Amino acid sequence: ETGVTQTPRHLVMGMTNKKSLKCEQHLGHNAMYWYKQSAKKPLELMFVYSLEERVENNSVPSRFSPECPNSSHLFLHLHTLQPEDSALYLCASSLRDTRSYNEQFFGPGTRLTVL
Amino acid sequence: GIQVEQSPPDLILQEGANSTLRCNFSDSVNNLQWFHQNPWGQLINLFYIPSGTKQNGRLSATTVATERYSLLYISSSQTTDSGVYFCAVADPQAAGNKLTFGGGTRVLVKP
Repeated sequence: ETGVTQTPRHLVMGMTNKKSLKCEQHLGHNAMYWYKQSAKKPLELMFVYSLEERVENNSVPSRFSPECPNSSHLFLHLHTLQPEDSALYLCASSLRDTRSYNEQFFGPGTRLTVL
Repeated sequence: GIQVEQSPPDLILQEGANSTLRCNFSDSVNNLQWFHQNPWGQLINLFYIPSGTKQNGRLSATTVATERYSLLYISSSQTTDSGVYFCAVADPQAAGNKLTFGGGTRVLVKP
């Protein structure tokens, strides 16, 4: 138990569905992240929310839409996904200030299958 | 961007054996983390080690930042050590303090 929870743990969806992944952290952190882990590819950052700043990987398609309503919650909204989007989606959190980096802690992940 | 390479890609050990995993990175980093990913996908934090040496039970890690590498040592390996070990670095030049991961070392410990 790392203090970061994710729901659902498993999700199967069709290409025309809309779904959302949820992440919640109980560590008092102020930065949250979405990572994607595909088969045969390294873990890759998708989005960061910290210090009221949003940073995104420019290669992430617009069918993925993040939302961070507060420092404890992070969502990833999914729509019209493709089969190649099937992957393990991992959420992480950390403390962050403008000058230093701190250890990131990961949730258990959501395993997504797109049919 | 920064490149992270891990070696070896695969490692098979007999229970009780010792091993060393290596992580090389291409540029200066302001942090480095080692993780163990279990079969269910959970990333478990092993070490937060931008430089120096740390030990936690049978595991230890050393980062030599000036030479751009880190080593993870597993001693007296157990079957529960099986899984994928990842090294990840934080690039001080990158926005958002993102972690860049290596490709991992897949470890199988046989009884």
